[in-house]
Amino acid sequence: NAGVTQTPKFQVLKTGQSMTLQCAQDMNHEYMSWYRQDPGMGLRLIHYSVGAGITDQGEVPNGYNVSRSTTEDFPLRLLSAAPSQTSVYFCASGGGTEAFFGQGTRLTVV
Amino acid sequence: AQSVTQLDSQVPVFEEAPVELRCNYSSSVSVYLFWYVQYPNQGLQLLLKYLSGSTLVKSINGFEAEFNKSQTSFHLRKPSVHISDTAEYFCAVATGFQKLVFGTGTRLLVSP
Repeated sequence: NAGVTQTPKFQVLKTGQSMTLQCAQDMNHEYMSWYRQDPGMGLRLIHYSVGAGITDQGEVPNGYNVSRSTTEDFPLRLLSAAPSQTSVYFCASGGGTEAFFGQGTRLTVV
Repeated sequence: AQSVTQLDSQVPVFEEAPVELRCNYSSSVSVYLFWYVQYPNQGLQLLLKYLSGSTLVKSINGFEAEFNKSQTSFHLRKPSVHISDTAEYFCAVATGFQKLVFGTGTRLLVSP
């Protein structure tokens, strides 16, 4: 039972490069979300989706893009990486009463 | 909009001592409250939650939290901590069972 799978676990990017963080869930949840975790700031919501084809912005959406073509997958795209996007990124599946988190992607932008 | 305040960024405690991690929230509507735990290099795991009913909720590993509406608090307590409880603890609030808003986290450091 995989739950929530995030790939990659680690990534180093150069400023200006683009990349996609992958997130897949096998629990048939409609609601999925992306957070970034920074020291002393907790987790901040980047984007979320309430179902296939429906996405919306969270607290810190700038520089990120998402799409939701299937229930299972919710990729997060960095359009042009900046050092300020160095962080640990978590994907979550399910809403408040049943949120399951992936293991995280540690991203460094140099 | 909802917000969560965790005033203590770090709480050091000796093994077998009691601990309280504080959480206050603000919201103009009814909320659901959660505590998540994050062990080193791992994702977040749900520790306990308050949705409705009894204001005292408990986890399977001895933690408990009490919803206090008048003080807008949801403090986490454990009467006797273990080394294995060393982790970061996040308080969170949600409305409509969907979007979670997290506090900044409290790092619990248990020493022998």
